[in-house]
Amino acid sequence: QQPVQSPQAVILREGEDAVINCSSSKALYSVHWYRQKHGEAPVFLMILLKGGEQKGHDKISASFNEKKQQSSLYLTASQLSYSGTYFCGTEIDNYGQNFVFGPGTRLSVLP
Amino acid sequence: EAQVTQNPRYLITVTGKKLTVTCSQNMNHEYMSWYRQDPGLGLRQIYYSMNVEVTDKGDVPEGYKVSRKEKRNFPLILESPSPNQTSLYFCASSTGGAGAFFGQGTRLTVV
Repeated sequence: QQPVQSPQAVILREGEDAVINCSSSKALYSVHWYRQKHGEAPVFLMILLKGGEQKGHDKISASFNEKKQQSSLYLTASQLSYSGTYFCGTEIDNYGQNFVFGPGTRLSVLP
Repeated sequence: EAQVTQNPRYLITVTGKKLTVTCSQNMNHEYMSWYRQDPGLGLRQIYYSMNVEVTDKGDVPEGYKVSRKEKRNFPLILESPSPNQTSLYFCASSTGGAGAFFGQGTRLTVV
């Protein structure tokens, strides 16, 4: 079952912050985050395994609350290069099966 | 350079004419998957493979076939393409507990 992402779209000015949420109706083993720029392939950002860890990658970080079956992606001091569509992907086990992407959140960063 | 290579990048074909989209990875990954991407629907998994000779259906397998005879290759076969299979297709590979690498995509139009 496809996870739900919110918001569907967000427009920011350079330097502003954004949060993208991903929630599932199923217990999750892991959550992946990807960014896709227009006309390009999705690019892996980070993976969070169950355990409630938070990860960071430059000014982009994410958290995973396995009890709430939710993950959030935090973009701080956004740059023009952050524009794109962000997808979360969820797994319910460690066997590479049942990997499902959310519908995506379109992020536009304006100068 | 680590990469996933898909061919062709663009393909226009007629209804019912069998076609194959090739996918090859050079990272010795166990897991490989095929996705289709349609506006508003995100990335939907067609088939996945956990290793050589091990494949299984994803969310939208109807009308598609795959095979995994070698670890590096995972072709997608459309035996009798129909217009509703017009889409952007991505192949991806990964290893356990890590993010996926995506190919450049194949834009297929069936007329």
